[in-house]
This record gives sequence, structure tokens and C-alpha cells, in this order.
Amino acid sequence: DTGVSQNPRHKITKRGQNVTFRCDPISEHNRLYWYRQTLGQGPEFLTYFQNEAQLEKSRLLSDRFSAERPKGSFSTLEIQRTEQGDSAMYLCASSLGWEGEQFFGPGTRLTVL
Amino acid sequence: TQLLEQSPQFLSIQEGENLTVYCNSSSVFSSLQWYRQEPGEGPVLLVTVVTGGEVKKLKRLTFQFGDARKDSSLHITAAQPGDTGLYLCAGADDYKLSFGAGTTVTVRA
Repeated sequence: DTGVSQNPRHKITKRGQNVTFRCDPISEHNRLYWYRQTLGQGPEFLTYFQNEAQLEKSRLLSDRFSAERPKGSFSTLEIQRTEQGDSAMYLCASSLGWEGEQFFGPGTRLTVL
Repeated sequence: TQLLEQSPQFLSIQEGENLTVYCNSSSVFSSLQWYRQEPGEGPVLLVTVVTGGEVKKLKRLTFQFGDARKDSSLHITAAQPGDTGLYLCAGADDYKLSFGAGTTVTVRA
């Protein structure tokens, strides 16, 4: 299967700890996106990359959040000093070009205790 | 705050019945996408509509994009238990998708 993959699928952490998630996009896709989804809501855009360049960040992405895509392939999303309000499903998607349809990974479910 | 409003929020029907879910916005989008999401999984793309007035059919699913490209509907004919899930619409504006809150559809056997 060559779809988008995300690791880990689930993460439980204590408040104040740092966590890092990984996303591997579809191999030929040059655009990669991060979204966050809370219970009862649709996904909300966080940030996106074109190749290795991070081109847009939502105001939802506080200073505690950082995302990288160092070689234009996989991406990582790090949350520092986690808070209970960070508990959510973190979704990664990729597309080919700006008009390309976005294909989502299975998500990482974060629970902050 | 979701830019797209979906209705109804919940829908429970018997197998074999038809259903329609709606997606409305005050904004114009270059395209609109419909996804289905199952619990604990990411959204799976069903269809993309681009042209105002466009109608697309995918087996028992019919998608319509409004003439003004602000609203859309999804109609399922003869629903099956396998159609159960969260149906999300998303408006595309350049690089970003703006999602509705979704319609949770339950099809009872």
C-alpha cells in the first residue's frame, strides 16, 4: 500500500511532555499538509509544505508547535509542553501540485492526561 | 468555526432507504470535496466537484455542486450498513481545505 502513513497511531502523554509525530506522504506528492480534528468537528488546517518549504501556518499553530519536512519527503510535527487542550486527532495529507486532491493518512490520536 | 455548514448533524435510517446530506457556505470555492471517515481513521476521498451545476455519480452516491459553487449535496440511494460513517465536505481554496463539521450517518440493518 503506497498511501499516506502516520506514526504512531496513538500517543498518550502527560501534560508538559513533548511529543513528535511522523508522516510519510505518497511518494510522488510534493505537497504535505497537517490538520487537527477534535471530537464532533471536521479537520482544521494547521500548516503545509511544498517540497521542504513550509509555506503557510495557521493561527491555530501556537509557538509550542513546530513542523519540519527536511528533505521534502517525510514530515514531523512536534508539540512542546503539551496541554490537555492539545488532545485531538492529528491528520496528515499529501497532494500532487496545488490543484491536486488531498489524500489523508490514518491520523495520530493524541491524549494528554 | 467551520466555514461550511453541514446538515443534518446526525442521520439514522433503515437499510434500503434513501438519504441526502447538505453542505452550505457563504464562500465560493474553486472545488469541493466529499470525504467519508470511519471512527479512528483518516478521511477517505469520495469525489471532487469543480464546475457549478456539476453532478457526479459514484455507484449509489450522487454528488451535486450548486450553480454558484457555494453549496453541495450528497444523495445515497438504497443505503447499506457499509455506508455508515461521518460524511465531510471540504471547500478547496488554493492550498487549504476548509471542512464542515460533518454528518454522522448510521444505516441500520
